[in-house]
Amino acid sequence: AQSVTQLDSQVPVFEEAPVELRCNYSSSVSVYLFWYVQYPNQGLQLLLKYLSGSTLVKGINGFEAEFNKSQTSFHLRKPSVHISDTAEYFCAASKGAGNMLTFGGGTRLMVKP
Amino acid sequence: GAGVSQSPRYKVAKRGQDVALRCDPISGHVSLFWYQQALGQGPEFLTYFQNEAQLDKSGLPSDRFFAERPEGSVSTLKIQRTQQEDSAVYLCASSLIRTSIFEQYFGPGTRLTVT
Repeated sequence: AQSVTQLDSQVPVFEEAPVELRCNYSSSVSVYLFWYVQYPNQGLQLLLKYLSGSTLVKGINGFEAEFNKSQTSFHLRKPSVHISDTAEYFCAASKGAGNMLTFGGGTRLMVKP
Repeated sequence: GAGVSQSPRYKVAKRGQDVALRCDPISGHVSLFWYQQALGQGPEFLTYFQNEAQLDKSGLPSDRFFAERPEGSVSTLKIQRTQQEDSAVYLCASSLIRTSIFEQYFGPGTRLTVT
């Protein structure tokens, strides 16, 4: 069975500072990885996804993530955060089309002025 | 184009009442998923439809939970005899099934509060 672990429940950071949100997964089969963002009272919005190919994936809003198979990690990074990035971020894994997403517990990113 | 819509957005039910939550997926999306998100947690899978066929209902927590998608488009999640532990946000997601494009698009969710 798949599992996804987000190591930090909350990450406080000052505006314009870099940030990394950590995600580790465990799976015995090929896995596809996603990062979603959830703003208050809204649904989940896809930031980026890793399906295959280049291990460095670029997404929307200046976010990027690196797939590391040997460390079973898929950490999310942004070189300079904005106040508007304050939200809950979820890492998720899937075995493929027609398969459910398995989510981590979420990381609350709090950007301070 | 229109995204995934869910109704109602908020529902308050007294313990023991039955509720029905509706999901309108993106037009043409074959796959439809339901997830339950408890407060402060990540979403957890409930059930999956491909067109009108319910292919996986392994995540439904009890036989009080029932989902249907009779015409392969709109789906309804029904909870009978609601309990306090059913309080959560219920998220619906739809996707295409082509292997290269299976991103799930999420609706805004229905927040269910059982009192």
